[in-house]
Amino acid sequence: DAGITQSPRHKVTETGTPVTLRCHQTENHRYMYWYRQDPGHGLRLIHYSYGVKDTDKGEVSDGYSVSRSKTEDFLLTLESATSSQTSVYFCAIRPGLAGGSTDTQYFGPGTRLTVL
Amino acid sequence: AQSVTQPDIHITVSEGASLELRCNYSYGATPYLFWYVQSPGQGLQLLLKYFSGDTLVQGIKGFEAEFKRSQSSYNLRKPSVHWSDAAEYFCAVGREYGNKLVFGAGTILRVKS
Repeated sequence: DAGITQSPRHKVTETGTPVTLRCHQTENHRYMYWYRQDPGHGLRLIHYSYGVKDTDKGEVSDGYSVSRSKTEDFLLTLESATSSQTSVYFCAIRPGLAGGSTDTQYFGPGTRLTVL
Repeated sequence: AQSVTQPDIHITVSEGASLELRCNYSYGATPYLFWYVQSPGQGLQLLLKYFSGDTLVQGIKGFEAEFKRSQSSYNLRKPSVHWSDAAEYFCAVGREYGNKLVFGAGTILRVKS
């Protein structure tokens, strides 16, 4: 257990509404990630963070924004949800600075989002 | 660009039989390689990882994986499958010291009794 929680765990929303998903960690790890999981695609990186207020885009960042105002929380926002954003969203953390045996990502339980 | 291919979408094996799940990657430098397992409705659990050194890696639950640079492969194996191994398995490659994982599409393992 890497001390990661995600909220909400399930959400149904309507097209055009804003949605914010929260990832919370208890161990002050520097790196945090947001992925989405879709059948046939595995997991794809949306955004990641390498410190408070330090974020960068992943391969599928369009339509998503993130914020990290404190170490323990990493928020993913869909400004105006679309049906193509229906997915399961996973948060991950990575202990350690770089390299070595600490260079592994550990995943949260996921949030299932349905956009109608 | 780096990529990961898992050629088998579904695999069915009998309980007690051996298992091999294939993973091929494309990456210009020495990759960091991972196998994760996901049970239905759950998050991803790390099975094993390769960073450097011995190319045969032992993981949890009796799994092992072998890194073959010449074939750009990192196949997952288990000598005797248990019904509880039924799940989806993901291979992933990391770059920049494990930052930004790229995942394969996954292989769903079914175990028949």
